[in-house]
Amino acid sequence: DAKTTQPPSMDCAEGRAANLPCNHSTISGNEYVYWYRQIHSQGPQYIIHGLKNNETNEMASLIITEDRKSSTLILPHATLRDTAVYYCIVGHKAAGNKLTFGGGTRVLVKP
Amino acid sequence: DAGVIQSPRHEVTEMGQEVTLRCKPISGHNSLFWYRQTMMRGLELLIYFNNNVPIDDSGMPEDRFSAKMPNASFSTLKIQPSEPRDSAVYFCASSDTGVPTEAFFGQGTRLTVV
Repeated sequence: DAKTTQPPSMDCAEGRAANLPCNHSTISGNEYVYWYRQIHSQGPQYIIHGLKNNETNEMASLIITEDRKSSTLILPHATLRDTAVYYCIVGHKAAGNKLTFGGGTRVLVKP
Repeated sequence: DAGVIQSPRHEVTEMGQEVTLRCKPISGHNSLFWYRQTMMRGLELLIYFNNNVPIDDSGMPEDRFSAKMPNASFSTLKIQPSEPRDSAVYFCASSDTGVPTEAFFGQGTRLTVV
């Protein structure tokens, strides 16, 4: 599975958009980009995933570059409850959706 | 569906004792994953099953760890004998591998070996 690189931490102001970058330069053509988050002491929670196109759901937007070597997760209006560790993961559908977690980005939303 | 159910939520045991962690996946999901989380090593995939068959157990740390999935609705992770370094939060997750989609995680079991 391709590895990902994320900044270890970032702060965001409440109500503002949070843009979380992820590099996955070794991603292969059939690997998806997944984003999960983990709020303190809870199990990881799925946010969004994509292959080539940008994706949006009720939680966030995922922007994938044309060469697929990087992506950005956008939380449009961050709230205090969005404080969490955010993980960017690449994985094969064929591998049973096996998810290999890296260090993630610790996001602190401040009032 | 109640989601992925893990039991117990907390377990404190003495070194050398056998520990069994349990997981009930979401009905209809055909993949099940066991993860371990510590401050030092983060979230590590231990093993995953597809259609009740272990597919990849390369993350299992050593022979003291074993996992079974006797049927589609139940899995166990056993540590025998337990050691203090096994103290961690153990998560179980399940997903439907028919399409690339989300994995659902349980609330975890916090294991403390003293």
